[in-house]
Amino acid sequence: EIVMTQSPATLSVSPGERVILSCRASQSVGTNLAWYQQKPGQAPRLLIYGVSTRLTDLPARFSGSGSGTEFTLTISSLQSEDFAVYYCQQYNSLPPYTFGQGTKLEIK
Amino acid sequence: EVQLVESGGALVQPGGSLRLSCVGSGFTFSRYWMTWVRQAPGKGLEWLANIQQYGGERYYVDSVKGRFSISRDNANNSLYLHMSRLRVEDTAVYYCARGDTTSRYWGQGTLVTVSS
Repeated sequence: EIVMTQSPATLSVSPGERVILSCRASQSVGTNLAWYQQKPGQAPRLLIYGVSTRLTDLPARFSGSGSGTEFTLTISSLQSEDFAVYYCQQYNSLPPYTFGQGTKLEIK
Repeated sequence: EVQLVESGGALVQPGGSLRLSCVGSGFTFSRYWMTWVRQAPGKGLEWLANIQQYGGERYYVDSVKGRFSISRDNANNSLYLHMSRLRVEDTAVYYCARGDTTSRYWGQGTLVTVSS
């Protein structure tokens, strides 16, 4: 099973700041990496798949990069609605398609 | 509009069994792989299992192999998760999601509590 490790666990930031969330895989997952956003009491929302392909309704301030074992999600200018928990997920080869433990973005 | 609605969550004793259901609408259910994901209270997401369109392939995470079984009924647009030998650590919100790898569409979740 591939283990996904996200850092940091919690990030305190101010609106308007640029943030970079990290995700590391225990072995290469190629470009089979997705990012989700989850707000309290809601189901996860798929943001990005294939490392960097944004869903059509996702604002351009979100971008993903990386390959192999190191990945990042960048939010260029945090908006109030972006404060949430973010999860990476690998879907390389056969299941299980594991998630990272999440990074919580909180307001400073 | 794609909708997924889970049901069946309940309070169950350790060692007990439960069957969760997920009904899909707004899309051709039989054309898609389906997936179960769970989230323990205050914790992260855990991928559990998925099933091919006609059930020919099924995959599980090790922590539930031999205890949980995923199945589907395409005639009724339904996905199931049969859970047995439940443990306290199986307490979680259980989500169904459309797709085999990533999932754009998720249900609202159903809560399973395992406690004596």
